[in-house]
Amino acid sequence: NAGVTQTPKFQVLKTGQSMTLQCAQDMNHNSMYWYRQDPGMGLRLIYYSASEGTTDKGEVPNGYNVSRLNKREFSLRLESAAPSQTSVYFCASSLRGLAGVEQYFGPGTRLTVT
Amino acid sequence: GENVEQHPSTLSVQEGDSAVIKCTYSDSASNYFPWYKQELGKRPQLIIDIRSNVGEKKDQRIAVTLNKTAKHFSLHITETQPEDSAVYFCAASEAEYGNKLVFGAGTILRVKS
Repeated sequence: NAGVTQTPKFQVLKTGQSMTLQCAQDMNHNSMYWYRQDPGMGLRLIYYSASEGTTDKGEVPNGYNVSRLNKREFSLRLESAAPSQTSVYFCASSLRGLAGVEQYFGPGTRLTVT
Repeated sequence: GENVEQHPSTLSVQEGDSAVIKCTYSDSASNYFPWYKQELGKRPQLIIDIRSNVGEKKDQRIAVTLNKTAKHFSLHITETQPEDSAVYFCAASEAEYGNKLVFGAGTILRVKS
């Protein structure tokens, strides 16, 4: 049982390049999330998917797109990377509940855009 | 939408002392308040949570208190140990969709031995 996995672990992009961050979970969770973590700003939600087939914007969606490929996988795409997208990206998953449930995080992807 | 403020941003304590981290939230309809711990270079992990129908919850050396009227909640760590050194994040659930969390900016806790 691997939990939440993310690839790649590290990535360096030049401004304007594109890339896709991959996330998968094997806990049969309904909901999945993408966050970015910047110093002094906590974890900010980029996009989330409450259940397979649905995606919604979070607090900071500009410059990103997502795809909920199936129940297990949720990818984040940067179409034209900018230095402001330099960050650590975390994927998370949870069961879907009415009153709040634990989110399980992946190990993170450290992205640098030059 | 929900807004969460967390204080202090850094906290240094002597081993064995207590540590308290406080958070305030803006949406009175929020009903779930978790705390996550993130060690250096690692992923955030849930350490304790509380729901709005409970005022206090304890788990060994950690406890969380919730004051719904004042819209604030706190993490208390007693008998701190060096392994408690980490970044701690509070969060509050969005009323619209309870699984969506809004996080505070984090507190760096350093336990000096």
